[in-house]
Amino acid sequence: AQSVTQPDIHITVSEGASLELRCNYSYGATPYLFWYVQSPGQGLQLLLKYFSGDTLVQGIKGFEAEFKRSQSSFNLRKPSVHWSDAAEYFCAVGGYGGSQGNLIFGKGTKLSVKP
Amino acid sequence: DVKVTQSSRYLVKRTGEKVFLECVQDMDHENMFWYRQDPGLGLRLIYFSYDVKMKEKGDIPEGYSVSREKKERFSLILESASTNQTSMYLCASSLASLDYNEQFFGPGTRLTVL
Repeated sequence: AQSVTQPDIHITVSEGASLELRCNYSYGATPYLFWYVQSPGQGLQLLLKYFSGDTLVQGIKGFEAEFKRSQSSFNLRKPSVHWSDAAEYFCAVGGYGGSQGNLIFGKGTKLSVKP
Repeated sequence: DVKVTQSSRYLVKRTGEKVFLECVQDMDHENMFWYRQDPGLGLRLIYFSYDVKMKEKGDIPEGYSVSREKKERFSLILESASTNQTSMYLCASSLASLDYNEQFFGPGTRLTVL
């Protein structure tokens, strides 16, 4: 069965430090992969997505993610974290269920940023 | 821009009440979804709909029903609210496509059942 694992429940980084959030997926074929961000009390906003092609994808707010098929991973990175990046981040996998477009979400990683 | 709106940001109801959560999208999307979000559990799919009057159960449909009478509107119904349904409810929509299933989310409704 398809699944998504985000091993880190909570991460704290200092402002200006680099960030990597981990995501591992289980899926039989090439998946569609997404990272969403949720600010406190808000809905989810898409950061970036991978469908095919270049395995390094760029997103909004200076984020990027790299698809590694051999490791079944899609880790999110940012070279220098800003205080406004404090939020919860969700990785999701799709590509099954035909045109109905179901996604499976990880449980999320909460990011705190120290001044 | 795709816009998904939800009728209330915050809602407080009493146990046993019938509760309606409304979701409207303005981009002619075929697919619509209802999730609940709880700390440590992430997003869990309650119901989804891929066409008007069509609905499919998600992972946690018990205690909920849905209605989709118009393409742009998807309603979640709690027939008899219980305290364990206190949660954040998120609505989403997406195009029907074999190649592209990005979901667009509304701002959420935080429901408290007393």
